[in-house]
Amino acid sequence: NAGVTQTPKFQVLKTGQSMTLQCAQDMNHNSMYWYRQDPGMGLRLIYYSASEGTTDKGEVPNGYNVSRLNKREFSLRLESAAPSQTSVYFCASNRGRAVEAFFGQGTRLTVV
Amino acid sequence: DAKTTQPTSMDCAEGRAANLPCNHSTISGNEYVYWYRQIHSQGPQYIIHGLKNNETNEMASLIITEDRKSSTLILPHATLRDTAVYYCIVRFDMNYGGSQGNLIFGKGTKLSVKP
Repeated sequence: NAGVTQTPKFQVLKTGQSMTLQCAQDMNHNSMYWYRQDPGMGLRLIYYSASEGTTDKGEVPNGYNVSRLNKREFSLRLESAAPSQTSVYFCASNRGRAVEAFFGQGTRLTVV
Repeated sequence: DAKTTQPTSMDCAEGRAANLPCNHSTISGNEYVYWYRQIHSQGPQYIIHGLKNNETNEMASLIITEDRKSSTLILPHATLRDTAVYYCIVRFDMNYGGSQGNLIFGKGTKLSVKP
């Protein structure tokens, strides 16, 4: 049982480049989330998807887009990367109603 | 969602109980208290959650005060592997009032378990 899988684990981008972070879960969860974590900080919510076909903005959505491709997959896209988007990105999923969320191992992104 | 206040850091001797406090004085009746931890930049890991009653599982115990304004996470026999940042989070039941049940993380408490 893989849980939540994120790819890639590490990435270096040049300013202005685009890329997509992939996330997949095999637990049949309805809800999926993208967070970013900067040094010394807690996690901040970027976007979430309560169910297949729906997405909503979180605390820090600017500069990002998301796609809930199907129930399993939730991708995060940076259209034009900026140094301020250097961070560790975590994907998470849960079933709903006061239950635990499961997190991936993170994608460490550096924008130079 | 209600805000939480946690100490920035705590130390605990290996084998002793670690008691991590959390204040959530503005919590409402339908908000749950959750605890997660993050070990050295890994993805956060769920520990336990509760609404009103004290809870216990294989990892920890959660003690919630009667007025629900504060709680304590107890790791009964801390090991070196418990060194992590511990996050206390309060949030609505996912389907209450249209909330999607987002987990809002603060900065947490850095627990250092020492030999």
